[in-house]
Amino acid sequence: GAVVSQHPSRVICKSGTSVKIECRSLDFQATTMFWYRQFPKKSLMLMATSNEGSKATYEQGVEKDKFLINHASLTLSTLTVTSAHPEDSSFYICSASPGTGDYGYTFGSGTRLTVV
Amino acid sequence: GENVEQHPSTLSVQEGDSAVIKCTYSDSASNYFPWYKQELGKRPQLIIDIRSNVGEKKDQRIAVTLNKTAKHFSLHITETQPEDSAVYFCAATNPTRTYKYIFGTGTRLKVLA
Repeated sequence: GAVVSQHPSRVICKSGTSVKIECRSLDFQATTMFWYRQFPKKSLMLMATSNEGSKATYEQGVEKDKFLINHASLTLSTLTVTSAHPEDSSFYICSASPGTGDYGYTFGSGTRLTVV
Repeated sequence: GENVEQHPSTLSVQEGDSAVIKCTYSDSASNYFPWYKQELGKRPQLIIDIRSNVGEKKDQRIAVTLNKTAKHFSLHITETQPEDSAVYFCAATNPTRTYKYIFGTGTRLKVLA
């Protein structure tokens, strides 16, 4: 089945630094990937849709300059949290779909970001 | 846009009993409804899904029903086991328009041994 790899699984960074999170589709090509943020005991909040070869589409209220998304290839999307602050601490998770005919998403394993 | 509501937020059942989680959606154009199970600290896993051309789908102890007229769908787990304890999320989308899912708020299911 479809496999999505996300790295790193955990990261601790200092306030003001930037952190890059990678999401890879291992056995399929994904023209579209999604980035979610999940607070403890809460639902998955869609942050943005990552489109291969074009700009990401951000959800309302998500700062595009703070959460930079790059989808340079059909198997890799990256989320960079710039100038991180403690309030950015959260669980970030990506998802991807093989595409036409298979509507089910596969999620990455998630990244727990802690900003100190 | 689509809005998905999910109830209850928490649910405790005795092992062996059934559990039902309900979701309602607002966009009549939505036609694909997946259910995900998320264990603590892990990624959501697709457990069952249903498309709008069917009213019910079953996979062993798990079933999903869909009422398009009322715009609601439900997850049914029978003969619950402790390993069913997790958070369950429903979602709705129309894959012909977008792959973007709108998730429900989640239900924390606890199966008591």
